[in-house]
Amino acid sequence: KQEVTQIPAALSVPEGENLVLNCSFTDSAIYNLQWFRQDPGKGLTSLLLIQSSQREQTSGRLNASLDKSSGRSTLYIAASQPGDSATYLCAVRRGSNYQLIWGAGTKLIIKP
Amino acid sequence: DGGITQSPKYLFRKEGQNVTLSCEQNLNHDAMYWYRQDPGQGLRLIYYSQIVNDFQKGDIAEGYSVSREKKESFPLTVTSAQKNPTAFYLCASTDEFSGNTIYFGEGSWLTVV
Repeated sequence: KQEVTQIPAALSVPEGENLVLNCSFTDSAIYNLQWFRQDPGKGLTSLLLIQSSQREQTSGRLNASLDKSSGRSTLYIAASQPGDSATYLCAVRRGSNYQLIWGAGTKLIIKP
Repeated sequence: DGGITQSPKYLFRKEGQNVTLSCEQNLNHDAMYWYRQDPGQGLRLIYYSQIVNDFQKGDIAEGYSVSREKKESFPLTVTSAQKNPTAFYLCASTDEFSGNTIYFGEGSWLTVV
């Protein structure tokens, strides 16, 4: 059974720092992995999607990597800003039926 | 603009009542989903539908029901059989031609009073 874990559950860093969020999964047979951002009381916004055949994806200050053999993905945020404060969730798609397995998220606070 | 619209944003349910949450999308997506989110937890799948007139139970379907009579609509009914319905409910959609990116609505808060 696929399980997705995100550690730490919360992270607080000063503005300007580069940081890494972690996502681990137990079954390497994944279709793709996505990173999402959720602001309080809001829906989720997709940040990056990595197909199983890819190693990384980049969008602006964000870079996501995927290592299926070790069951890990990381989301790298460069030059963090207070506006980056949100909960970041990762989700693994396990097959062609569109179902996703979710981590519980990392709540990120960027201090001005 | 294309997107997913959930309504109402806030809903209060009395004990023994059924309530229905609306989800409409104009993205022309085939697949639609309902998730439940509780504080400090990941999303849990309630129901999903890959095509009109067909839907499947997710991991926590007990006490919920859905219909998919139109491609753009996927309403969720929280029945009185759901003993702990207070949560944040999220509707989502995707299809093969969107690069598998999943799009979410803004969510609906349901509180039992």
